[in-house]
Amino acid sequence: AQSVTQLGSHVSVSEGALVLLRCNYSSSVPPYLFWYVQYPNQGLQLLLKYTTGATLVKGINGFEAEFKKSETSFHLTKPSAHMSDAAEYFCAVRASGGYQKVTFGTGTKLQVIP
Amino acid sequence: SQTIHQWPATLVQPVGSPLSLECTVEGTSNPNLYWYRQAAGRGLQLLFYSVGIGQISSEVPQNLSASRPQDRQFILSSKKLLLSDSGFYLCAWTLIGANTEAFFGQGTRLTVV
Repeated sequence: AQSVTQLGSHVSVSEGALVLLRCNYSSSVPPYLFWYVQYPNQGLQLLLKYTTGATLVKGINGFEAEFKKSETSFHLTKPSAHMSDAAEYFCAVRASGGYQKVTFGTGTKLQVIP
Repeated sequence: SQTIHQWPATLVQPVGSPLSLECTVEGTSNPNLYWYRQAAGRGLQLLFYSVGIGQISSEVPQNLSASRPQDRQFILSSKKLLLSDSGFYLCAWTLIGANTEAFFGQGTRLTVV
């Protein structure tokens, strides 16, 4: 079984401030981890993913995330928030074997304050 | 390249009416297919998934059903809609046996009135 927990359904940051969105996962096998972004009334767009190899992964729009196995975490960060970053962000996990169902967290809405 | 089409984009239906949402994938074969529902404040709830034609697994009991009549076609249906069926429905696909992400359609906003 696998699960994802996103701490904080709403996060507010000032423009130019650090963005930190938290994600913890549970998986009985080595996981593949993803972050998606969703703008209103649109589908989900992949920001970045971790499969194997380097634990610090860089994605689009200046975002990055670090896979920490010991902490079962995959937090999303961006050094400087931009107004266009305001959206909902979802963390997801997919087991590396078997059926490979994708399980999502409940999402975090990011508000960027000018 | 692979693409996923989902329609309609928006739908307003009366309580008790039937529902049919369609999703098709192009550019790949034998994908895993998924239907998710996104209700306000509740994140993404997996409704159904399919690993092949005619194979449907339901994640939660509900008023909806799914079918996969062709390899790259996934249909979400209901015989009689309830108010609680309102939400944003997303179709997605993944490749079997690969470490890839899920690819999403643009979603359908369903409002049951």
